[in-house]
Amino acid sequence: ILNVEQSPQSLHVQEGDSTNFTCSFPSSNFYALHWYRWETAKSPEALFVMTLNGDEKKKGRISATLNTKEGYSYLYIKGSQPEDSATYLCAFSILKYIFGTGTRLKVLA
Amino acid sequence: GAVVSQHPSRVICKSGTSVKIECRSLDFQATTMFWYRQFPKQSLMLMATSNEGSKATYEQGVEKDKFLINHASLTLSTLTVTSAHPEDSSFYICSARDHRETNEKLFFGSGTQLSVL
Repeated sequence: ILNVEQSPQSLHVQEGDSTNFTCSFPSSNFYALHWYRWETAKSPEALFVMTLNGDEKKKGRISATLNTKEGYSYLYIKGSQPEDSATYLCAFSILKYIFGTGTRLKVLA
Repeated sequence: GAVVSQHPSRVICKSGTSVKIECRSLDFQATTMFWYRQFPKQSLMLMATSNEGSKATYEQGVEKDKFLINHASLTLSTLTVTSAHPEDSSFYICSARDHRETNEKLFFGSGTQLSVL
């Protein structure tokens, strides 16, 4: 059974703090790792799709790294803002998409 | 980016009734759509893969006669929960890939919260 684990489950940070979350996935037969941001009452929105070991992607204050050999990806948010409050999901795709339970981030003003 | 519209966003129904949820790709053609279900504090669980013009592929443990999927056009897939029971109460969400994009990211609807009384 393929399993994707995310930690922490939830996180409260102060505005301006930097933070990071972890996504662990099976390291064998890797195809792609996705990160999504899901705000309450909205649709999940794709942040990154990563395919290469050592890959690092950046979108504004958010960046992600990928280690396919050891089966983990980190998502970093620099200088968190209240609008960053959301659930961050990762998904491992190999024929189908397997999601983690997400990290719920709350940024306090 | 591509937009996926899902309706209704919330539905409350009596036990034994059927509920239809629609998922539309608004600005792209989706040959494949995915239906997920999420229980509180759990991950999105794939229920089935909906293929335009052919039968859906159901995941193990998902009753195809209970959860009817129709993907009659390139922009519309529907999920019908037949003879709904309280244990079917859950959050249902659809997604699709825009095949114009090469990175296979998913575009999601906003989900449907189903409550069966």
